[in-house]
Amino acid sequence: SQTIHQWPATLVQPVGSPLSLECTVEGTSNPNLYWYRQAAGRGLQLLFYSVGIGQISSEVPQNLSASRPQDRQFILSSKKLLLSDSGFYLCAWSVGAADNEKLFFGSGTQLSVL
Amino acid sequence: DAKTTQPNSMESNEEEPVHLPCNHSTISGTDYIHWYRQLPSQGPEYVIHGLTSNVNNRMASLAIAEDRKSSTLILHRATLRDAAVYYCILRHGAGSYQLTFGKGTKLSVIP
Repeated sequence: SQTIHQWPATLVQPVGSPLSLECTVEGTSNPNLYWYRQAAGRGLQLLFYSVGIGQISSEVPQNLSASRPQDRQFILSSKKLLLSDSGFYLCAWSVGAADNEKLFFGSGTQLSVL
Repeated sequence: DAKTTQPNSMESNEEEPVHLPCNHSTISGTDYIHWYRQLPSQGPEYVIHGLTSNVNNRMASLAIAEDRKSSTLILHRATLRDAAVYYCILRHGAGSYQLTFGKGTKLSVIP
């Protein structure tokens, strides 16, 4: 069966520090991978998605970047965190390009930038 | 992109049916209607999806209006574990891989 791993679960970082969040998927090949962010009391915002190794699409210009060095690994990074980067970060995966594909989410990382 | 409109919050008594509405008046003919829910401090989970016909699965039922401009997620017997934020989402057209989540409906279940 397929599983998605996302870590760490919680993270407290000072402003200006770097960030690296990692997500890996097991049990499937060539998944579509996504990074979402949820600010407190708000809906989910799609940040990045990837349909293959080295292929990254950005939805919102921001202080963050994403990379996909391997088929089932997706990394979210920042060189210098801002206060506004605080939020709940979720990695997700799906397979296929049909309109009825389903998203499967990880358990999320709660990031607090202080 | 077609958007959805949902009430901010709803309440239900435990063991009673719940009807969660969603309006999507600008839906296109190829858009699928998806529902996800998010329990506190967890990632969203898939609930159900459909195109034109009503759909049933072990979690819920999805009733789609004949003109497809609205839909209703039906939980047949609400339990305390169903308390969550429910998102109604339109799956974009072919070649697009994103699901855009709105603010959803926060469902509270009263024991």
